[in-house]
Amino acid sequence: DIQMTQSPSSLSASVGDRVTITCRASQTIYTYLNWYQQKPGKAPKLLIYAASSLQSGAPSRFSGSGSGTDFTLTISSLQPEDFATYYCQQSYNAPPYSFGQGTKLEIK
Amino acid sequence: QVQLVESGGGVVQPGRSLRLSCATSGFAFSSFVMHWVRQAPGKGLEWVAVIGYDGSNKNYADFVRGRFTIARDNSKNTLSLQMNSLRVEDTAVYYCARAAVHCSGGSCYGDDNFDNWGQGTMVTVSS
Repeated sequence: DIQMTQSPSSLSASVGDRVTITCRASQTIYTYLNWYQQKPGKAPKLLIYAASSLQSGAPSRFSGSGSGTDFTLTISSLQPEDFATYYCQQSYNAPPYSFGQGTKLEIK
Repeated sequence: QVQLVESGGGVVQPGRSLRLSCATSGFAFSSFVMHWVRQAPGKGLEWVAVIGYDGSNKNYADFVRGRFTIARDNSKNTLSLQMNSLRVEDTAVYYCARAAVHCSGGSCYGDDNFDNWGQGTMVTVSS
């Protein structure tokens, strides 16, 4: 099975900051990489699919990049509603559809 | 609008069974692959099971294979998860999720990411 590792596990930032979260796969997954946002007590929301495609309805300040084993999620200018936990998920060698352990983005 | 509503969670003793349901509306249910994903308290997301359009194709995470059964009723637009031989480590919020269909340039394709989720139902396995 493919293992997904996110870094950092937690991150403190301020409104207006540019933030980058990294996800690494244990083997190549080409661009079969998706990003989700989850707020406390809520279901996850799909933000980015196929590594860099913005899901309909997701704000354009979110962007994704990468291929192979290394991927990044970037928030260009943090907004108050962006403080949440972010997960990457691979969909190349699936099932199983493995997720990263999550990155909690907190207010500095 | 697309809605997925889970039900059936609760507190159950180890070794017992529970059946979760996911009622859907607002989309052509039979045209979408469906999944169950779970999240233990304070932990990350964990994929559980997937079922194809007509229910003939199913797959499971190793940790539930042989104990859980995913099913769907396309006439009632519902998804279910029969959970047998429950273990303490099955304690989690269980979400049903719809596999995305992405469209570009007039063509659409099914994808293995999850674009709509229910609110989740809590399953607690405890003696």
